[in-house]
Amino acid sequence: GQNIDQPTEMTATEGAIVQINCTYQTSGFNGLFWYQQHAGEAPTFLSYNVLDGLEEKGRFSSFLSRSKGYSYLLLKELQMKDSASYLCAVRDSNYQLIWGAGTKLIIKP
Amino acid sequence: IAGITQAPTSQILAAGRRMTLRCTQDMRHNAMYWYRQDLGLGLRLIHYSNTAGTTGKGEVPDGYSVSRANTDDFPLTLASAVPSQTSVYFCASSLAGETDTQYFGPGTRLTVL
Repeated sequence: GQNIDQPTEMTATEGAIVQINCTYQTSGFNGLFWYQQHAGEAPTFLSYNVLDGLEEKGRFSSFLSRSKGYSYLLLKELQMKDSASYLCAVRDSNYQLIWGAGTKLIIKP
Repeated sequence: IAGITQAPTSQILAAGRRMTLRCTQDMRHNAMYWYRQDLGLGLRLIHYSNTAGTTGKGEVPDGYSVSRANTDDFPLTLASAVPSQTSVYFCASSLAGETDTQYFGPGTRLTVL
C-alpha cells in the first residue's frame, strides 16, 4: 500500500527553527509537495521537490532524499502566524497526489 | 472572480437527500479535483478530471458523482447523502506541466444528519 508518515503535532518557540519530517512509501515517485493549512482554511502551496537536495524559499526550505523516501520542511525564524498544519504529499506513478495526515505546528511565545 | 471558488460554504443535510457542491475556477486550469478531509486523515481524492469532458475515480468515489461539461466548472453530487459523508470538501485545480501544483478552493463543510 501507499503510505505517508508525518508527526501528528509539534511545538516550537517563536524565533526558533523547526524541522518537520515526512517519510513515504508510494508506487512510483513524481515529486513531493509541502502545503500549509491554517485552521478552517484551504491548503496553500509551499514547496515542490523532485530532485534530491535542498530547495530554499525565504524562511522555508524543503529537502528530499528519494533513495531514503524522506523529506523535511525547515522553518526558520518562527513567527506566530506559522502556527498551522503542514501537509506532505507525494505524486505517485499515476500522477495522483497521496497525502499525509499533516503535522500540526504550535508556536509558543 | 480570481482563483477557485466553492459553494456553499457550509451545509447541513438530512440523510437520503441529494446535494450538489459547486466548484468554479477562472485560471483556465485543465485539471480539477475533489477531495474530502476528515480529522486525523490525509486529504482523500474522490474524483478528478484531467480535461473538460473526462472524469476519473479517485481513492473514495463511492456515493459521489462528478461532471465536467466545460473547463471552469466541476460539480460534485451526492445522490443520497449518508452520515459518513460528513466532512470538509475541497475542490482543487492545476495546470498540467512540470510541477502541476494544485490550488485549492476555500472548502465546503458538509454535515449529514
